[in-house]
Amino acid sequence: DAGVTQSPTHLIKTRGQQVTLRCSPISGHKSVSWYQQVLGQGPQFIFQYYEKEERGRGNFPDRFSARQFPNYSSELNVNALLLGDSALYLCASTLWGLNTEAFFGQGTRLTVV
Amino acid sequence: QQQVKQSPQSLIVQKGGISIINCAYENTAFDYFPWYQQFPGKGPALLIAIRPDVSEKKEGRFTISFNKSAKQFSLHIMDSQPGDSATYFCAASSKAAGNKLTFGGGTRVLVKP
Repeated sequence: DAGVTQSPTHLIKTRGQQVTLRCSPISGHKSVSWYQQVLGQGPQFIFQYYEKEERGRGNFPDRFSARQFPNYSSELNVNALLLGDSALYLCASTLWGLNTEAFFGQGTRLTVV
Repeated sequence: QQQVKQSPQSLIVQKGGISIINCAYENTAFDYFPWYQQFPGKGPALLIAIRPDVSEKKEGRFTISFNKSAKQFSLHIMDSQPGDSATYFCAASSKAAGNKLTFGGGTRVLVKP
């Protein structure tokens, strides 16, 4: 049984560019959340989606956006990249409802130069 | 604002010893407290979790102790092994906030053989 899969695993972008990160949740999981983990810190919540609707948003600028597709996969988009956006971007998959166990993918390492 | 404070930032323990990591939270609405283990270059892996209706939960060599009145919880790793060397994160979430995870800053554990 496949876990949470994220692509790409590594990415290098230039300041001002745009990036799209992708996530496929565990089969049967309907909710996807995105987190940003800066080196040496704990993950910070960015977005939560369930049934294609945004259910939560963290304290991130409007340059960050996301969406969820009918198959429950998700994309995170970041526009006008800044050096400070360099981080590990994590996708977490949950069933939703009372079951709150969140399972993370291996992440996408984004480096902005 | 940091709603979950984790300490220590790092610790070194001898093989066979006990590793103890502490977390304190502020939001009394939190109702789910997981611990995650993260190896370099990997996403966080769910280790063990507890809800505030119990004071202790044990799974193998890992034990969570929970003190609701003090708003604190801790992870004990018994008989620590070199393979336990990793960064550990405590986290908290609430149903009211859609179960988004708020993480502590992390503790880097090194188990010396």
